[in-house]
Amino acid sequence: NAGVMQNPRHLVRRRGQEARLRCSPMKGHSHVYWYRQLPEEGLKFMVYLQKENIIDESGMPKERFSAEFPKEGPSILRIQQVVRGDSAAYFCASSPFDGGEQYFGPGTRLTVT
Amino acid sequence: AQTVTQSQPEMSVQEAETVTLSCTYDTSESDYYLFWYKQPPSRQMILVIRQEAYKQQNATENRFSVNFQKAAKSFSLKISDSQLGDAAMYFCAYLNSGGGADGLTFGKGTHLIIQP
Repeated sequence: NAGVMQNPRHLVRRRGQEARLRCSPMKGHSHVYWYRQLPEEGLKFMVYLQKENIIDESGMPKERFSAEFPKEGPSILRIQQVVRGDSAAYFCASSPFDGGEQYFGPGTRLTVT
Repeated sequence: AQTVTQSQPEMSVQEAETVTLSCTYDTSESDYYLFWYKQPPSRQMILVIRQEAYKQQNATENRFSVNFQKAAKSFSLKISDSQLGDAAMYFCAYLNSGGGADGLTFGKGTHLIIQP
């Protein structure tokens, strides 16, 4: 049973470009969470999605950030017009039910130059 | 909002010794979950142990055990017979039992060093 998959593992973008981060949950999991980890910090919750629904986006910046989890395909975290402050590791986690244990992917390290 | 505090930025222990990592949290909820995650240099987040707040018995997983003090809102992790592979960042995390909204709330982590 494959774990949570994220790609790319490393992404370099210039200021002003768009970043798209993908997350495929574990088989049988329909709940996806995105977290951001800044250097020397713990992970910070961004958004919680179920298939085709955003359940809670209270941790996501209001501008430039969006997330989706379509009926088919991976969950996507999209950052438009990236700035240097967006450089961080972005982790996705999935769980089999609401409030269940969360299993993490390996993360995507975004570097904005 | 819930908060999680890890007051030890770094801990060091001799191989084969026992070490305890501290965690306190603040919540107005009575039912919730607490977790310890390990993040080695690979940066993969690995679940170490989980505790349900309604259970009085402390969770254990092989060499890892917790001391859960609900009234004091304390959740420490004890690692027995420390091994070199235990070296990592350790994060304490909180989750409301009412659902995944808000996601996990993490502490800032403790860097555990194992001395050979």
